[in-house]
Amino acid sequence: ETGVTQTPRHLVMGMTNKKSLKCEQHLGHNAMYWYKQSAKKPLELMFVYNFKEQTENNSVPSRFSPECPNSSHLFLHLHTLQPEDSALYLCASSDSDRKEAFFGQGTRLTVV
Amino acid sequence: AQSVTQLDSQVPVFEEAPVELRCNYSSSVSVYLFWYVQYPNQGLQLLLKYLSGSTLVKGINGFEAEFNKSQTSFHLRKPSVHISDTAEYFCAVSEPFSGYSTLTFGKGTMLLVSP
Repeated sequence: ETGVTQTPRHLVMGMTNKKSLKCEQHLGHNAMYWYKQSAKKPLELMFVYNFKEQTENNSVPSRFSPECPNSSHLFLHLHTLQPEDSALYLCASSDSDRKEAFFGQGTRLTVV
Repeated sequence: AQSVTQLDSQVPVFEEAPVELRCNYSSSVSVYLFWYVQYPNQGLQLLLKYLSGSTLVKGINGFEAEFNKSQTSFHLRKPSVHISDTAEYFCAVSEPFSGYSTLTFGKGTMLLVSP
């Protein structure tokens, strides 16, 4: 069992669909993150939750809606996505002492 | 604002040869520095980190990196690579911040090890 688990690993969705990505961390961390990894671009930080409160939203379109019900779970709700939103979505977690982030294996999203 | 530059998008090397992956950063404040590795269809795994103290840091899988403040660099090295080291390597910086970490990543360097 890895420290940060993401489901599903792969997702294909139409532009009119609604889907959700799930992330769960078993490390006792207080902060969770969503990153987007597109081809030929650096990883982009999308959202940060610290102690369940959203602390950063890096100008992400409203078709991406995060939810953090507790410190161990993080969701990314998707609706009316565009083909350019196809990417690898990575979840990560960290605590205030160790500074580094621990990543899940990602969800490969394809929007058709 | 901080930024990370990885000068090489691809580094081809033969097995058992040494390798250096370059990373330069810019920041107006002191930083934490990290190298992550990503194998195909996987997430990112931490190789090593510099937070403070000794400028030479050792990580997993025989990798090491040296923090050079005057040159704002954090190059990754391995004296002898294996086929299994083929992967993409990301340098990242984070400004010291209480509570959580916000990493800024470089574009990555693909290390291609051939026999």
